[in-house]
Amino acid sequence: AQTVTQSQPEMSVQEAETVTLSCTYDTSENNYYLFWYKQPPSRQMILVIRQEAYKQQNATENRFSVNFQKAAKSFSLKISDSQLGDTAMYFCAFLLAYNNNDMRFGAGTRLTVKP
Amino acid sequence: AAGVIQSPRHLIKEKRETATLKCYPIPRHDTVYWYQQGPGQDPQFLISFYEKMQSDKGSIPDRFSAQQFSDYHSELNMSSLELGDSALYFCASSLLSNPEAFFGQGTRLTVV
Repeated sequence: AQTVTQSQPEMSVQEAETVTLSCTYDTSENNYYLFWYKQPPSRQMILVIRQEAYKQQNATENRFSVNFQKAAKSFSLKISDSQLGDTAMYFCAFLLAYNNNDMRFGAGTRLTVKP
Repeated sequence: AAGVIQSPRHLIKEKRETATLKCYPIPRHDTVYWYQQGPGQDPQFLISFYEKMQSDKGSIPDRFSAQQFSDYHSELNMSSLELGDSALYFCASSLLSNPEAFFGQGTRLTVV
């Protein structure tokens, strides 16, 4: 069974600074996808970034980038130039490539960006 | 761009009542998923459908059932509601060929 662990229940960062959210996962499979979802106070789930396990290059989306360490089963999210609107819960998620039907989420990290 | 539509957005039911949640996936998406997110918890997978057939089942209680219709919309039926069923219920859709799931805004169910 696949598990996702986010060991930081809460984090805070000053506006304009950089913060890194940690995520580790456990799987014996080789082909999978990893995602970071943002859940603002509105409770909507918004995809932030995605990484295919077969790609060595770390995914980047504007101010968001990941550090994907496949051997270590680590998938951290770096938010640069933090903005007040980044305040949200962030969920790391894992999905097997051959089974799109059961995305596993971590427990989430509550990020607060302070002015 | 069209997104996943869920209705209703909020629902209040009494214990032992029945609730029906609806989900309209993004056009041309062939896969629909249902998730339950309790207060302060991460989303838990309930059930999914691919091309109107149930494709996978997670931690869905026997009191719950779901189906996907010919127009690809899906309904989650919840009977004999319990206080513990109070949660945010998300529907998501994707293409089987692309694992990127797009979530609806969720239905907040409160059982009193």
